[in-house]
Amino acid sequence: GDSVTQMEGPVTLSEEAFLTINCTYTATGYPSLFWYVQYPGEGLQLLLKATKADDKGSNKGFEATYRKETTSFHLEKGSVQVSDSAVYFCALAGTNSGYALNFGKGTSLLVTP
Amino acid sequence: ETGVTQTPRHLVMGMTNKKSLKCEQHLGHNAMYWYKQSAKKPLELMFVYNFKEQTENNSVPSRFSPECPNSSHLFLHLHTLQPEDSALYLCASSQDQGTGELFFGEGSRLTVL
Repeated sequence: GDSVTQMEGPVTLSEEAFLTINCTYTATGYPSLFWYVQYPGEGLQLLLKATKADDKGSNKGFEATYRKETTSFHLEKGSVQVSDSAVYFCALAGTNSGYALNFGKGTSLLVTP
Repeated sequence: ETGVTQTPRHLVMGMTNKKSLKCEQHLGHNAMYWYKQSAKKPLELMFVYNFKEQTENNSVPSRFSPECPNSSHLFLHLHTLQPEDSALYLCASSQDQGTGELFFGEGSRLTVL
């Protein structure tokens, strides 16, 4: 079945450092890919998405490119801020799951001043 | 005010109790979801409702009983739970099932003693 694997956390970075959170997926067909973010004490929020190969999703300085050849959707940000501290979830919606979202385990990010 | 509201935010119950979680969305969406979030595990999709009809039941034990009286409200009735059912239960909605853009509530933190 469809699944998502993302890097284990926690990830700790200094402010203004470069961020990469790896995400790879397994799916048949052409799933849509997403990154969600969960700030402390809150529900998940959609951060960005990509619906086909080579699409780049972007929002709030974060970017991720849908790479079909490597089945990846890595999240990147050039300069993180303390306010980016949160848990980040990679997810996919594909035909195997009736387009319901399959989430990864989440990666906790802590940005220190 | 968030578009998806969950009550109660925190719930402690014994294994013989009966309680219910409530979710309400003010976004005019047609699909609603229950997810279970446990530490160090991917979010688990429990139930999906589309236009008030249940379309997904992910092999959830019968001690969890969902109810969707209309497109704006979703309940999760709890009965004779086990300590391993302690988790954060997240409600979400989307315009239609399969769009992948879910809007989440802040969750109900359940502790089973």
